[in-house]
Amino acid sequence: EVQLVESGGGLVQPGRSLRLSCAASGFIFDDYAMQWVRQVPGKGLEWVSGISWNSATIGYADSVKGRFTISRDNAKNSLYLQMNSLRAEDTALYYCARAPYGSGSYPDYWGQGTLVTVSS
Amino acid sequence: DIVMTQSPATLSVSPGERATLSCRASESVSSNLAWYQQKPGQAPRLLIYGASTRATGIPARFSGSGSGAEFTLTISSLQSEDSAVYYCQQYNNWPTFGQGTKVEIK
Repeated sequence: EVQLVESGGGLVQPGRSLRLSCAASGFIFDDYAMQWVRQVPGKGLEWVSGISWNSATIGYADSVKGRFTISRDNAKNSLYLQMNSLRAEDTALYYCARAPYGSGSYPDYWGQGTLVTVSS
Repeated sequence: DIVMTQSPATLSVSPGERATLSCRASESVSSNLAWYQQKPGQAPRLLIYGASTRATGIPARFSGSGSGAEFTLTISSLQSEDSAVYYCQQYNNWPTFGQGTKVEIK
């Protein structure tokens, strides 16, 4: 069974940093691209970033480019999102998702999310 | 960025009736379109990819159609458990989502 478990969310002040992690199991992690997608509670979905299986192809939404960095450790079956210079508008539930056809494809499995709140 | 526009914002349908949801792209996305269902407190669930291919385990009452810039998700006979928000997503470029259509049971 595919499982994606996010962690690392919490309350952080504007301008500070946070690192999210996603632990994957139930599939061959390095066969798949991965993504982060976020959702402001009660609002719609926003794709944040994607990374190919070998980290060769990486993409970011314009709203986070230059502030967020996606990475993965295939030996640890883990995906990460380093978030710097956080803003109030980054407050959201952050989902880790598996992307079967590349870093910019559709996600087929999603975790349950980790909540990031940016507030002073 | 490609802008995805969904209509209507809310759809109220009686059980057993057909629900038709629309999704329009600001430019052609070929058939690189997916549909998701999201229920309150849950992560999105993939329904359709490639505009018309049902994901594993998705009931046959869900069908997708369209190509280019106009797409439709049809629920042929609405069940009570289909009450949810439905999102379209293009992946022809870096992904973007529509704003969602809420399906209510009348």
